[in-house]
Amino acid sequence: LAKTTQPISMDSYEGQEVNITCSHNNIATNDYITWYQQFPSQGPRFIIQGYKTKVTNEVASLFIPADRKSSTLSLPRVSLSDTAVYYCLVGEGNQGGKLIFGQGTELSVKP
Amino acid sequence: DTEVTQTPKHLVMGMTNKKSLKCEQHMGHRAMYWYKQKAKKPPELMFVYSYEKLSINESVPSRFSPECPNSSLLNLHLHALQPEDSALYLCASSHKTGVRSGANVLTFGAGSRLTVL
Repeated sequence: LAKTTQPISMDSYEGQEVNITCSHNNIATNDYITWYQQFPSQGPRFIIQGYKTKVTNEVASLFIPADRKSSTLSLPRVSLSDTAVYYCLVGEGNQGGKLIFGQGTELSVKP
Repeated sequence: DTEVTQTPKHLVMGMTNKKSLKCEQHMGHRAMYWYKQKAKKPPELMFVYSYEKLSINESVPSRFSPECPNSSLLNLHLHALQPEDSALYLCASSHKTGVRSGANVLTFGAGSRLTVL
């Protein structure tokens, strides 16, 4: 399984764009990159997923370079409610596949 | 229904008790998961069921016993637990997807907070 490495913590201010980078040097051909958000005492919540290039949805963008050895989650104009832990996961697309969480990035958004 | 429901939300048990955690989903997902999460740590994978059959056991001690009675339900039976087993237990499910349409996306429940005295 590809291991992921993220910064342990990041600070930001309301209204700023936040970019969180995840390294996954051993990513396999069939692996997808998925990001989850978790608030205290809640289950993780799916944010975005991609295989290559750029993916955008209503809450975030995901940038994946051609070599796919890293990915960057971009959160536009964060608010206080975006304070959470963000996890990058790399795993196969098969249902029931093994999905292992890395250490995650604790994002703190200040007023 | 787009939720995974876990019961109970909180559970306190002694080391000699037998209890169960329950998880239910009605999204038609055929893969279900148990994760364990300690404070300030990432979720740790425990078990994976695919089409009601146990497909992954991450070397979990036998005092944790999973069960998947049908495609909508997942149980975790607890017996002779230790205080260090106190944690948030998370259930998740995912659906079959093709390579072109996306990949294994987990939908998590809110978790069951377990305290072992």
